[in-house]
Amino acid sequence: EVQLVQSGAEVKKPGESLKISCKGSGYSFSTYWIGWVRQMPGKGLEWMGFIFPADSDITYSPSFQGQVTFSADKSINSAYLQWNSLKASDTAIYYCARRGLGGFDFWGQGTLVTVSS
Amino acid sequence: DIQMTQSPSSLSAFVGDRVTITCRASQSISRYLNWYQQKPGKAPMLLIHDAGSLQSGVPSRFSGSGSGTDFTLTISSLQPEDIATYYCQQSQRSPWTFGQGTKVEIK
Repeated sequence: EVQLVQSGAEVKKPGESLKISCKGSGYSFSTYWIGWVRQMPGKGLEWMGFIFPADSDITYSPSFQGQVTFSADKSINSAYLQWNSLKASDTAIYYCARRGLGGFDFWGQGTLVTVSS
Repeated sequence: DIQMTQSPSSLSAFVGDRVTITCRASQSISRYLNWYQQKPGKAPMLLIHDAGSLQSGVPSRFSGSGSGTDFTLTISSLQPEDIATYYCQQSQRSPWTFGQGTKVEIK
């Protein structure tokens, strides 16, 4: 069974750093792109970009380029989303998802990130 | 960026009704169009990929059609468990973009 399990909710202060994780199982993790999607409170879905775990090839959405960093460790089937300096506007649920033949066919449960002073 | 526009933004229908949601792309995306269902408090779920291919495990009352710039998601007989927000997404060109969502409720 394909599963993506994300790390738990985080509460941070503005300016702090954060790294959240997404661990895949039940399939060949290295050979599927992993995407990240943001959902701000009460809002729609925003595509942040992709990472290919086999070689860490990355595509960022221009809206998120320079604001976040993707990484992956194929040896432990995990992908990561990182911020160096959080802002209140980063408060959102962040989903990882597997890129299948068409679209995102499996999703993580989401990680709620709250940034508040 | 390719803009995706869904209509309506929300709708209310009776159980058993046929429901149609449309999605328009700002430029041609061939058939690189996916539909997702998101229930409250849950992660999205892929319903339809490549405009008309039903994802494994999705009930057959869901169907998709279209190509180029105009696409449709149809629920042939609305069920109570279909209460959700539905999103289209283009995967023709980076950045992938989503529609703003259509909230479906029961009358």
